[in-house]
Amino acid sequence: GEDVEQSLFLSVREGDSSVINCTYTDSSSTYLYWYKQEPGAGLQLLTYIFSNMDMKQDQRLTVLLNKKDKHLSLRIADTQTGDSAIYFCAEGPSGGYNKLIFGAGTRLAVHP
Amino acid sequence: DTEVTQTPKHLVMGMTNKKSLKCEQHMGHRAMYWYKQKAKKPPELMFVYSYEKLSINESVPSRFSPECPNSSLLNLHLHALQPEDSALYLCASTNGDGAGEKLFFGSGTQLSVL
Repeated sequence: GEDVEQSLFLSVREGDSSVINCTYTDSSSTYLYWYKQEPGAGLQLLTYIFSNMDMKQDQRLTVLLNKKDKHLSLRIADTQTGDSAIYFCAEGPSGGYNKLIFGAGTRLAVHP
Repeated sequence: DTEVTQTPKHLVMGMTNKKSLKCEQHMGHRAMYWYKQKAKKPPELMFVYSYEKLSINESVPSRFSPECPNSSLLNLHLHALQPEDSALYLCASTNGDGAGEKLFFGSGTQLSVL
């Protein structure tokens, strides 16, 4: 069945790079997404990558996709305290209507 | 306007109450979604409306009743809920219902059932 897995926690020092990893199982996924959720808030789309790409860069964010290994990563350069949040990886669509399968989320803690 | 607005932000209700959650977007999006998110868990899809018609019901109990009065509004009517229904309820929308549509989420309603 469909499954998206992420490590649950990552701690980094301010100014360092953060790398959040994700593995997925559905090889028919056409898009893979990264969402950010701050406490008490909804999910904010950060970036996404089409499945025929292997890299996408957007300012401080770099997404790498290894389709053979079904591995997705999000690199945040120069991590700031404002980046502290939960980051969800999602694959989709599944079954039409843009139904996304979310991972459990990685909590990123940024310390001075 | 790139927002999805949800009201109320917080709701406490008893198991015999009837309440409604509301969601509004003015981006012209044609698909709207309800998700349920338990603490420290990812969002789980409940319902999808596409062009104001219910397209997906993920086997949600009938004590949750969605309604889409028009293309900008989505409601979730709650009746006879259980304490285990306490969660963050998130509304989202997409421009269409095809592949690659980006989900825009509201901030959610934090629901507590006593």
